[in-house]
Amino acid sequence: IAGITQAPTSQILAAGRRMTLRCTQDMRHNAMYWYRQDLGLGLRLIHYSNTAGTTGKGEVPDGYSVSRANTDDFPLTLASAVPSQTSVYFCASSDRDDTGELFFGEGSRLTVL
Amino acid sequence: GQNIDQPTEMTATEGAIVQINCTYQTSGFNGLFWYQQHAGEAPTFLSYNVLDGLEEKGRFSSFLSRSKGYSYLLLKELQMKDSASYLCAVTDSNYQLIWGAGTKLIIKP
Repeated sequence: IAGITQAPTSQILAAGRRMTLRCTQDMRHNAMYWYRQDLGLGLRLIHYSNTAGTTGKGEVPDGYSVSRANTDDFPLTLASAVPSQTSVYFCASSDRDDTGELFFGEGSRLTVL
Repeated sequence: GQNIDQPTEMTATEGAIVQINCTYQTSGFNGLFWYQQHAGEAPTFLSYNVLDGLEEKGRFSSFLSRSKGYSYLLLKELQMKDSASYLCAVTDSNYQLIWGAGTKLIIKP
């Protein structure tokens, strides 16, 4: 593994199902983030974590939850998927929680039907 | 509210120069980033400005004027591989990153 790995790359999901997007980094970065990217909109922050054991809500947290049990992993869970959660999801990390450069995973394209 | 404005799309010719503008209105300022994103790929870091002036990095340069809430990304000697979206993002007073919607740059031969 080099950098940030996301899984799955793509997924089609029925509305109402539970889904977890996985994110793993090997750079020992303290800060990690989940964004969603929709056509015509900027990246929107869903949840973040400044260090293992802590998480915080971003701009659009409703319908999503995260956990940060260790430094490397930051999974994003949709408890009951809805069509409006159809999007491309990017996980990112930074060695600083303020002005550090973000390193992004390759993205997970999720379609909720 | 907080706002980042960039043109939606620009077209330029291979070998030419293009300037992509970004204006911002945020609660405080702690730096401005430019990222490049090829279609279907992840954003990658291009530049960071926190002080006024021009930062040059090879064919790419980024300029910042904090008093005007303005930045631009200058791409010289354009190559076909520069066809991508360019994202402007500002860190506000709470160190939250606010993103623009991105500028899609189309390079024609």
